[in-house]
Amino acid sequence: KNEVEQSPQNLTAQEGEFITINCSYSVGISALHWLQQHPGGGIVSLFMLSSGKKKHGRLIATINIQEKHSSLHITASHPRDSAVYICAVIIQGAQKLVFGQGTRLTINP
Amino acid sequence: NAGVTQTPKFRILKIGQSMTLQCTQDMNHNYMYWYRQDPGMGLKLIYYSVGAGITDKGEVPNGYNVSRSTTEDFPLRLELAAPSQTSVYFCASSQVLGRSYEKLFFGSGTQLSVL
Repeated sequence: KNEVEQSPQNLTAQEGEFITINCSYSVGISALHWLQQHPGGGIVSLFMLSSGKKKHGRLIATINIQEKHSSLHITASHPRDSAVYICAVIIQGAQKLVFGQGTRLTINP
Repeated sequence: NAGVTQTPKFRILKIGQSMTLQCTQDMNHNYMYWYRQDPGMGLKLIYYSVGAGITDKGEVPNGYNVSRSTTEDFPLRLELAAPSQTSVYFCASSQVLGRSYEKLFFGSGTQLSVL
């Protein structure tokens, strides 16, 4: 079993829908990153969380340390949100990143 | 600021050849990482460094070597290229102070084919 599991692996939705991507992990962590990888391959960091909730535009990320779970929400989704979203955790004491397998999101117009 | 710069963007190697993937960051970040991403797969950590002079293995270090002689540079060396090393390679950096973590910054990637 992977230390970091994302769900769903693939998600297709219509423009305007509310999107939720989940990330569960089985180890103690120091922090969690949400990343976005566009079809061209470039990777951009969306959020870094160690507790609570962060919001940037239409994107919201939450983390529950006790439940070892984080979610990434997209409100009013748009075709330009189509990308692979990746959860990565910094393992406590190890100082290295472990990645989830990614969620491929497709937003249709 | 240029951020994280990786070179080259593309490379084709013959089996047994060697090469160095260059990575430079101008943000004075202490942490640097090398990842590989195989087609349709997630990112896997090859090596990482928490500061100049300090490196450590990740999940898939075999066939690779790294060095971190300066804060800015973190080159990845392939000594004897094998077809299994065909992948896209990403370098990343971040600033970590105690328990304070900042965002990751990624290079644009190097697409490597070993034939």
